[in-house]
Amino acid sequence: EIVLTQSPGTLSLSPGERATLSCRASQSLSSSYLAWYQQKPGQAPKLLIYGASSRATGIPDRFSGSGSGTDFILTISRLEPEDFAVYYCQQYDSSVALSFGGGTKVEIK
Amino acid sequence: QVQLVQSGAEVKKPGSSVKVSCKASGGTLSTHAISWVRQAPGQGLEWMGRIIPMFNTANYAQKFQGRVAISTDESTSTAYMELNSLRSEDTAVYYCARGLGLSDWFPYWGQGTLVTVSS
Repeated sequence: EIVLTQSPGTLSLSPGERATLSCRASQSLSSSYLAWYQQKPGQAPKLLIYGASSRATGIPDRFSGSGSGTDFILTISRLEPEDFAVYYCQQYDSSVALSFGGGTKVEIK
Repeated sequence: QVQLVQSGAEVKKPGSSVKVSCKASGGTLSTHAISWVRQAPGQGLEWMGRIIPMFNTANYAQKFQGRVAISTDESTSTAYMELNSLRSEDTAVYYCARGLGLSDWFPYWGQGTLVTVSS
């Protein structure tokens, strides 16, 4: 099973600041099969990024994904009030065993 | 517009089983992979397993092997997740999720079903 480790666990930032979230895989992901989700309390996760860097439909361009192999980054260029939430990465490199990272909480400083 | 609508909250006794449904509208079920993901209170997301209806194949996370069964009823465009031998640690919100075609990234999610396991 591929284990995803997200860091930091919590990121304390102010609106307008840049957020950089990391996701490291325990083994290399072929074809960059990695997605990012945003989750707010009481809601289902929302897809932000797939294929490591492709934005999902309707996602603002302040969200960007990058990386390959074992190291991936989600960047929020300028935090808006609605961006404070928990973010998860997910690998789908192994179709028989998908997995999620433990999450990064982005909170208001 | 694809929508996944799940069944309502359940309260179960330890040792019993629960079956959660996920009805799809706005698209066919058979040509898409459906996964089930759960989230214990205050915890992260945990993938449980997936099914590809048109191939009638399911695979499960090792942690749940032998205790979970995912199935579909194409006549009603409904997917099901049944979890057996429930214990208190199974208390969680259970989500169904669907990708595009056979992709395993999820733009579509159900609203979640809270399953509480308590004596």
